[in-house]
Amino acid sequence: AQSVTQLGSHVSVSEGALVLLRCNYSSSVPPYLFWYVQYPNQGLQLLLKYTTGATLVKGINGFEAEFKKSETSFHLTKPSAHMSDAAEYFCAVSERTALIFGKGTTLSVSS
Amino acid sequence: DVKVTQSSRYLVKRTGEKVFLECVQDMDHENMFWYRQDPGLGLRLIYFSYDVKMKEKGDIPEGYSVSREKKERFSLILESASTNQTSMYLCASSTRQVGYGYTFGSGTRLTVV
Repeated sequence: AQSVTQLGSHVSVSEGALVLLRCNYSSSVPPYLFWYVQYPNQGLQLLLKYTTGATLVKGINGFEAEFKKSETSFHLTKPSAHMSDAAEYFCAVSERTALIFGKGTTLSVSS
Repeated sequence: DVKVTQSSRYLVKRTGEKVFLECVQDMDHENMFWYRQDPGLGLRLIYFSYDVKMKEKGDIPEGYSVSREKKERFSLILESASTNQTSMYLCASSTRQVGYGYTFGSGTRLTVV
Protein backbone atom coordinates (compact mmCIF):
# COMPACT_ATOMS: atom_id res chain seq x y z
CA ALA A 1 0.00 0.00 0.00
CA GLN A 2 1.12 3.52 -0.67
CA SER A 3 1.94 5.86 2.18
CA VAL A 4 2.83 9.49 2.81
CA THR A 5 5.17 10.88 5.44
CA GLN A 6 5.18 14.54 6.32
CA LEU A 7 8.28 15.48 8.28
CA GLY A 8 7.46 17.85 11.09
CA SER A 9 3.97 18.16 12.51
CA HIS A 10 4.56 21.85 13.21
CA VAL A 11 6.69 24.39 11.33
CA SER A 12 7.16 27.99 12.47
CA VAL A 13 8.54 30.78 10.28
CA SER A 14 8.73 34.54 10.37
CA GLU A 15 6.82 36.66 7.92
CA GLY A 16 8.91 37.03 4.77
CA ALA A 17 10.95 33.88 5.41
CA LEU A 18 11.14 30.81 3.19
CA VAL A 19 8.48 28.17 3.77
CA LEU A 20 9.55 24.52 3.32
CA LEU A 21 7.13 21.70 4.14
CA ARG A 22 8.47 18.20 3.56
CA CYS A 23 6.65 15.23 2.07
CA ASN A 24 7.94 11.78 1.17
CA TYR A 25 5.85 9.05 -0.33
CA SER A 26 6.07 5.38 -1.11
CA SER A 27 4.59 4.07 -4.30
CA SER A 28 5.29 1.16 -6.59
CA VAL A 29 3.91 2.98 -9.61
CA PRO A 30 4.30 6.54 -10.91
CA PRO A 31 2.22 8.52 -8.48
CA TYR A 32 -0.12 11.43 -8.66
CA LEU A 33 0.82 13.82 -5.83
CA PHE A 34 -1.12 16.62 -4.20
CA TRP A 35 -0.84 19.35 -1.61
CA TYR A 36 -3.95 20.59 0.15
CA VAL A 37 -4.38 23.44 2.62
CA GLN A 38 -6.92 23.65 5.43
CA TYR A 39 -7.78 26.93 7.14
CA PRO A 40 -9.46 26.78 10.56
CA ASN A 41 -12.95 25.34 10.52
CA GLN A 42 -12.90 24.77 6.78
CA GLY A 43 -12.56 21.85 4.40
CA LEU A 44 -9.43 21.14 2.39
CA GLN A 45 -8.52 23.22 -0.66
CA LEU A 46 -6.25 22.02 -3.45
CA LEU A 47 -2.97 23.97 -3.58
CA LEU A 48 -1.26 22.13 -6.40
CA LYS A 49 -0.80 18.71 -7.96
CA TYR A 50 1.67 16.67 -9.96
CA THR A 51 0.39 14.15 -12.49
CA THR A 52 2.83 13.97 -15.40
CA GLY A 53 5.21 16.27 -17.25
CA ALA A 54 7.13 19.12 -15.62
CA THR A 55 8.40 18.13 -12.20
CA LEU A 56 8.21 21.67 -10.80
CA VAL A 57 4.60 22.47 -10.18
CA LYS A 58 3.21 25.91 -9.38
CA GLY A 59 0.07 26.35 -7.35
CA ILE A 60 -2.08 29.02 -5.84
CA ASN A 61 -0.93 31.70 -3.39
CA GLY A 62 2.69 31.55 -4.58
CA PHE A 63 3.35 27.96 -3.53
CA GLU A 64 5.25 25.45 -5.61
CA ALA A 65 6.46 21.88 -5.23
CA GLU A 66 9.02 19.72 -6.99
CA PHE A 67 8.56 16.04 -7.72
CA LYS A 68 11.86 14.18 -7.23
CA LYS A 69 11.45 10.56 -8.18
CA SER A 70 14.93 9.54 -7.03
CA GLU A 71 14.19 10.90 -3.54
CA THR A 72 10.49 9.94 -3.53
CA SER A 73 9.78 13.47 -2.37
CA PHE A 74 7.32 16.23 -3.12
CA HIS A 75 8.30 19.14 -0.87
CA LEU A 76 6.21 22.32 -0.78
CA THR A 77 7.90 25.72 -0.83
CA LYS A 78 7.08 29.40 -0.86
CA PRO A 79 9.82 32.05 -1.09
CA SER A 80 8.25 34.53 1.32
CA ALA A 81 5.73 33.62 4.01
CA HIS A 82 2.69 35.76 4.67
CA MET A 83 0.57 35.82 7.81
CA SER A 84 -2.35 34.47 5.79
CA ASP A 85 -0.38 31.29 5.03
CA ALA A 86 -0.90 30.07 8.60
CA ALA A 87 -2.90 26.86 8.18
CA GLU A 88 -2.58 23.10 8.13
CA TYR A 89 -1.07 21.51 5.04
CA PHE A 90 -1.60 17.97 3.81
CA CYS A 91 0.36 16.00 1.26
CA ALA A 92 -1.46 13.17 -0.55
CA VAL A 93 -0.68 10.40 -3.02
CA SER A 94 -3.15 8.61 -5.25
CA GLU A 95 -3.90 4.95 -4.80
CA ARG A 96 -6.29 3.64 -7.41
CA THR A 97 -9.37 5.76 -6.86
CA ALA A 98 -8.68 7.14 -3.40
CA LEU A 99 -6.08 9.55 -2.06
CA ILE A 100 -3.86 8.63 0.87
CA PHE A 101 -3.08 11.61 3.07
CA GLY A 102 -0.17 12.40 5.34
CA LYS A 103 -0.77 13.40 8.94
CA GLY A 104 -0.46 17.09 8.18
CA THR A 105 1.88 19.95 9.03
CA THR A 106 0.68 23.04 10.85
CA LEU A 107 2.39 26.18 9.61
CA SER A 108 2.65 29.12 11.99
CA VAL A 109 3.76 32.54 10.75
CA SER A 110 4.95 35.20 13.17
CA SER A 111 5.35 38.90 12.50
CA ASP B 1 -19.31 27.70 -8.11
CA VAL B 2 -19.09 23.93 -7.79
CA LYS B 3 -19.78 22.58 -4.38
CA VAL B 4 -19.74 19.70 -1.99
CA THR B 5 -22.26 20.42 0.73
CA GLN B 6 -22.36 18.70 4.10
CA SER B 7 -25.69 19.10 5.81
CA SER B 8 -24.42 20.03 9.27
CA ARG B 9 -21.35 21.93 10.46
CA TYR B 10 -21.73 20.90 14.09
CA LEU B 11 -23.61 17.96 15.53
CA VAL B 12 -23.98 16.66 19.07
CA LYS B 13 -25.38 13.16 19.56
CA ARG B 14 -25.76 10.76 22.45
CA THR B 15 -23.99 7.43 22.79
CA GLY B 16 -25.99 4.68 21.12
CA GLU B 17 -27.88 6.95 18.74
CA LYS B 18 -28.01 6.21 15.02
CA VAL B 19 -26.41 9.16 13.24
CA PHE B 20 -26.70 10.19 9.60
CA LEU B 21 -24.19 12.52 7.96
CA GLU B 22 -25.27 13.75 4.57
CA CYS B 23 -23.16 14.94 1.65
CA VAL B 24 -24.35 16.32 -1.67
CA GLN B 25 -22.28 17.34 -4.71
CA ASP B 26 -23.40 19.26 -7.76
CA MET B 27 -20.51 18.40 -10.11
CA ASP B 28 -21.83 15.12 -11.50
CA HIS B 29 -18.79 13.37 -10.01
CA GLU B 30 -18.67 9.58 -10.08
CA ASN B 31 -16.57 9.14 -6.94
CA MET B 32 -17.45 10.18 -3.42
CA PHE B 33 -15.54 9.69 -0.18
CA TRP B 34 -15.88 9.94 3.57
CA TYR B 35 -12.84 10.68 5.73
CA ARG B 36 -12.47 11.39 9.40
CA GLN B 37 -9.88 13.85 10.62
CA ASP B 38 -8.30 13.67 14.05
CA PRO B 39 -5.40 15.73 15.45
CA GLY B 40 -2.07 14.07 14.74
CA LEU B 41 -3.65 11.35 12.62
CA GLY B 42 -4.47 13.30 9.48
CA LEU B 43 -7.29 12.12 7.23
CA ARG B 44 -8.29 8.50 7.33
CA LEU B 45 -10.55 6.97 4.70
CA ILE B 46 -13.74 5.40 6.04
CA TYR B 47 -15.63 4.45 2.87
CA PHE B 48 -15.81 5.48 -0.73
CA SER B 49 -18.17 4.96 -3.63
CA TYR B 50 -17.35 4.93 -7.32
CA ASP B 51 -20.91 4.61 -8.58
CA VAL B 52 -24.50 4.59 -7.43
CA LYS B 53 -25.17 1.71 -5.02
CA MET B 54 -21.47 0.79 -5.08
CA LYS B 55 -19.22 1.13 -2.05
CA GLU B 56 -15.81 0.05 -0.88
CA LYS B 57 -14.31 -0.03 2.58
CA GLY B 58 -11.48 2.28 3.37
CA ASP B 59 -8.94 1.97 6.16
CA ILE B 60 -11.31 2.38 9.15
CA PRO B 61 -14.82 1.18 8.23
CA GLU B 62 -15.66 -0.41 11.58
CA GLY B 63 -18.71 1.14 13.20
CA TYR B 64 -19.76 2.90 10.00
CA SER B 65 -21.87 2.17 6.94
CA VAL B 66 -22.73 4.21 3.86
CA SER B 67 -25.50 4.66 1.35
CA ARG B 68 -25.45 5.98 -2.17
CA GLU B 69 -28.87 5.78 -3.76
CA LYS B 70 -28.36 8.77 -6.06
CA LYS B 71 -25.23 9.95 -7.81
CA GLU B 72 -25.13 13.29 -6.07
CA ARG B 73 -25.68 12.08 -2.50
CA PHE B 74 -23.45 10.00 -0.24
CA SER B 75 -24.51 9.33 3.34
CA LEU B 76 -22.37 8.15 6.23
CA ILE B 77 -24.20 6.22 8.95
CA LEU B 78 -23.01 5.59 12.48
CA GLU B 79 -25.12 2.62 13.48
CA SER B 80 -24.65 3.14 17.22
CA ALA B 81 -22.61 6.21 18.00
CA SER B 82 -19.78 5.92 20.49
CA THR B 83 -17.58 8.54 22.13
CA ASN B 84 -14.56 7.39 20.11
CA GLN B 85 -16.39 8.49 16.98
CA THR B 86 -16.19 12.12 18.09
CA SER B 87 -14.29 13.67 15.21
CA MET B 88 -14.34 15.94 12.17
CA TYR B 89 -15.92 14.19 9.19
CA LEU B 90 -15.02 15.32 5.69
CA CYS B 91 -16.83 14.42 2.50
CA ALA B 92 -15.16 14.72 -0.90
CA SER B 93 -15.96 13.98 -4.52
CA SER B 94 -13.94 13.49 -7.69
CA THR B 95 -14.22 12.42 -11.29
CA ARG B 96 -13.12 8.90 -12.24
CA GLN B 97 -9.70 10.35 -13.05
CA VAL B 98 -8.08 10.70 -9.67
CA GLY B 99 -5.43 12.97 -11.17
CA TYR B 100 -7.85 15.88 -10.96
CA GLY B 101 -7.94 15.60 -7.17
CA TYR B 102 -10.85 15.98 -4.82
CA THR B 103 -13.31 18.69 -3.99
CA PHE B 104 -14.03 18.76 -0.27
CA GLY B 105 -16.99 19.83 1.77
CA SER B 106 -16.56 22.11 4.80
CA GLY B 107 -16.78 19.24 7.26
CA THR B 108 -19.07 18.14 10.06
CA ARG B 109 -17.73 18.27 13.58
CA LEU B 110 -19.49 15.48 15.45
CA THR B 111 -19.43 15.23 19.21
CA VAL B 112 -20.80 12.07 20.83
CA VAL B 113 -21.62 12.48 24.53
